[in-house]
Amino acid sequence: SQTIHQWPATLVQPVGSPLSLECTVEGTSNPNLYWYRQAAGRGLQLLFYSVGIGQISSEVPQNLSASRPQDRQFILSSKKLLLSDSGFYLCAWSLGGNTEAFFGQGTRLTVV
Amino acid sequence: GQQLNQSPQSMFIQEGEDVSMNCTSSSIFNTWLWYKQDPGEGPVLLIALYKAGELTSNGRLTAQFGITRKDSFLNISASIPSDVGIYFCAGQLRNNNDMRFGAGTRLTVKP
Repeated sequence: SQTIHQWPATLVQPVGSPLSLECTVEGTSNPNLYWYRQAAGRGLQLLFYSVGIGQISSEVPQNLSASRPQDRQFILSSKKLLLSDSGFYLCAWSLGGNTEAFFGQGTRLTVV
Repeated sequence: GQQLNQSPQSMFIQEGEDVSMNCTSSSIFNTWLWYKQDPGEGPVLLIALYKAGELTSNGRLTAQFGITRKDSFLNISASIPSDVGIYFCAGQLRNNNDMRFGAGTRLTVKP
């Protein structure tokens, strides 16, 4: 069966520090991968999605970037965090072709 | 930005009551999905819909894919306290790999 792992679960980082959140999927090949951000009490905002290694589509201009170095690995990064980067970050995968997506447990990032 | 309009934004109901929420879009969607999110966790898939007009049930939950492909609703019958959470609709546009979410419906069930 397929599983998705996202870490860390919580993170407190100072303003201006770098960020690296990792997401890996097991049990499937060539998944679509997604990064979403959820502000407190709000909906999910699509940040990036990837249909293959090295292929990244960005939805919102921002302080973040994403990379897909391996088929089942998706990384969310920032060189210098801003206070506004605080939020709940969710990684998800799907098989593409209009199929359902499955989410990781999320990372709660607090920038102080 | 988001292309789905989800309503209501929140609901406060008594245990045992039925609940209905819906999503609409100005765009045609190929897939409609409904998720539930508990605090501090990732959304969990409840129901997936792939065909216009499709009506699918999962226990006390029923969802339909609108005939126009621009809307979907989710019904919960005989609500119980563990139904509390945020419910999200999500959809995929034709010929597109990204997935868009509604703003969510926050459900509170009073015992």
